[in-house]
Amino acid sequence: SQQGEEDPQALSIQEGENATMNCSYKTSINNLQWYRQNSGRGLVHLILIRSNEREKHSGRLRVTLDTSKKSSSLLITASRAADTASYFCASAVTGGGNKLTFGTGTQLKVEL
Amino acid sequence: NAGVMQNPRHLVRRRGQEARLRCSPMKGHSHVYWYRQLPEEGLKFMVYLQKENIIDESGMPKERFSAEFPKEGPSILRIQQVVRGDSAAYFCASSPLPGLGGNEQFFGPGTRLTVL
Repeated sequence: SQQGEEDPQALSIQEGENATMNCSYKTSINNLQWYRQNSGRGLVHLILIRSNEREKHSGRLRVTLDTSKKSSSLLITASRAADTASYFCASAVTGGGNKLTFGTGTQLKVEL
Repeated sequence: NAGVMQNPRHLVRRRGQEARLRCSPMKGHSHVYWYRQLPEEGLKFMVYLQKENIIDESGMPKERFSAEFPKEGPSILRIQQVVRGDSAAYFCASSPLPGLGGNEQFFGPGTRLTVL
């Protein structure tokens, strides 16, 4: 698997349900970031979690980081149709400067 | 405070022509990153620049691609003699000086390059 691989590749849920996306990485990181991308558009930064943090919240978003398992998860609670987008995790590898290694993304579809 | 600006948003070139993509970072940001996204894929790092310096170009193809970030003006990603495989979305991101543990990168809207 590649650095920053996401699971599942696609997720379809009903409005109001929670959505959980997972990300795995292979090497030591300084931080891990989650981004959202609407179809054909740019990336919107959601949350940054540092390697010494275990959990962060922002509104309806909750991100966890488990450095022992080299994995992170993004939880979107009470999803809305407007949350429909692709979600990417991106890791800043230790010693790699600030460049980001992106995962392949999870396509989330929230249906009314 | 305007976000990261990229232009053009769409660029069409014929094989063999040159493509120039521009990126103006957020005000106060001195670090610029270029990424490429092929259809249905994640972003791939290309190059990381500071004003007048290339910090990391490990993701840049060895030939035809170059990048600069002059003291004045936007960062430029230049692709010479484009081929169809260069068709992709090219995203620029900027950040302030990375602190310990790194910091957020803010992305522009991208330039979608189509090579005919």
